[in-house]
Amino acid sequence: AQTVTQSQPEMSVQEAETVTLSCTYDTSESDYYLFWYKQPPSRQMILVIRQEAYKQQNATENRFSVNFQKAAKSFSLKISDSQLGDAAMYFCAYRRANDMRFGAGTRLTVKP
Amino acid sequence: GAGVSQSPRYKVTKRGQDVALRCDPISGHVSLYWYRQALGQGPEFLTYFNYEAQQDKSGLPNDRFSAERPEGSISTLTIQRTEQRDSAMYRCASSAMVNTEAFFGQGTRLTVV
Repeated sequence: AQTVTQSQPEMSVQEAETVTLSCTYDTSESDYYLFWYKQPPSRQMILVIRQEAYKQQNATENRFSVNFQKAAKSFSLKISDSQLGDAAMYFCAYRRANDMRFGAGTRLTVKP
Repeated sequence: GAGVSQSPRYKVTKRGQDVALRCDPISGHVSLYWYRQALGQGPEFLTYFNYEAQQDKSGLPNDRFSAERPEGSISTLTIQRTEQRDSAMYRCASSAMVNTEAFFGQGTRLTVV
C-alpha cells in the first residue's frame, strides 16, 4: 500500500494571507493522481484540487494552487487570500487505479 | 442521484448487534470505496468495488466486516457482532472511472454502546 504523509497536524493563517500545506507520498509508480480534499466542521469531504502525475504544470483552482514535485514525491497546497470559510481539515490523497489513500490531515485555522 | 447518498446518517447500536450501512453511489459510477474515519484522522481504506466485483478488501479489519455490491450500484457494508471499537464515521465514495476524482457521501456515524 502506498503511504501519504501530512507532517503538519495544525496550521494557522491570518485572513487574507497565504498558507501552504505540505504532503509527501511514497510510490514506485509513474502514473497516478493526487488530490486535496477539504473537510469543514460539517464533516463533508469536498474536492479542492487534483493533479495528474503525467502533467508537469501545477494545477490551479482560483485561490488554490499546488506545487507538485514529482521527483521529490511532494504535493503541497497553497491557499492565497485566505478566507474564514477556508477553516477546515485538509486531506491529501493519492490514487492509482483502485488504490486511493489519504493522509492524516492538517487542521487549518483562519484568524480574522 | 445527484450525489452519493448514505443511510442511515446516524446509527446507535448495542454491542453484539449486527448493522448494515447502505451506500447509493452517483448513477453510472463504476468505482465504489468504503472508508472508516475516526475523529481527527484521515479516511482509512476498507474495501473497493469495480462494478459488482469486490477487487480489494484488504482494509477490512477482520471477518466481522463484509461488503457487497450485487448489481454494481448500491453497496452495503455489514458489521456483525459489533464492538465498541467499531464506533466511527463510515464513508462511501464513488467515481466515474478509475483515476478520476471520488465523490463522498455524508457518511454514517456509527456508535456502539
